[in-house]
Amino acid sequence: DARVTQTPRHKVTEMGQEVTMRCQPILGHNTVFWYRQTMMQGLELLAYFRNRAPLDDSGMPKDRFSAEMPDATLATLKIQPSEPRDSAVYFCASGLVRIVQETQYFGPGTRLLVL
Amino acid sequence: RKEVEQDPGPFNVPEGATVAFNCTYSNSASQSFFWYRQDCRKEPKLLMSVYSSGNEDGRFTAQLNRASQYISLLIRDSKLSDSATYLCVVNLTSNTGKLIFGQGTTLQVKP
Repeated sequence: DARVTQTPRHKVTEMGQEVTMRCQPILGHNTVFWYRQTMMQGLELLAYFRNRAPLDDSGMPKDRFSAEMPDATLATLKIQPSEPRDSAVYFCASGLVRIVQETQYFGPGTRLLVL
Repeated sequence: RKEVEQDPGPFNVPEGATVAFNCTYSNSASQSFFWYRQDCRKEPKLLMSVYSSGNEDGRFTAQLNRASQYISLLIRDSKLSDSATYLCVVNLTSNTGKLIFGQGTTLQVKP
């Protein structure tokens, strides 16, 4: 049963610290997404990749957030420096897009708390 | 105006009830539509796609009205296990994979 995996599952850190979240997409999926979910804003798309190339990162605060896909099995989302307002659940999702959109599968999320 | 709008609820219904959720989207160029389900402290999971002709999956029926830019989800014979948040999701262009999520509608089914 193929799944998207994310690490860490929980992270508590202090303001100003660097946070790195990792995601392993489902093998064979060509599109990877990073979302952030908060009570106030709901689920927001931060960035996404197709065949490892960044397609859209307009949802991401550029000054402190960065997203990369160093290889097909790893996507990373980094926050430096972190701020309390970054506290949220960060989801990674992967999907296969050929001619049309197919289902996106979400990982379990990383719950981030910045103190 | 948000791109996808839903009534957040909560909807509190007894077991066996029929409940309907509605969703509106702002971009008339939207291509594909979905309902996702999210359980408390879990990730969203696809419940069903929504087709122009309407579609049914067991107790769940989804409808799309492109003219009114309106999507609905009907749940018949509610079960306790249906308690969750239901997210209305829109894809602007079918081949980008970029989904826009509504805030979600919370359903609580009571015994």
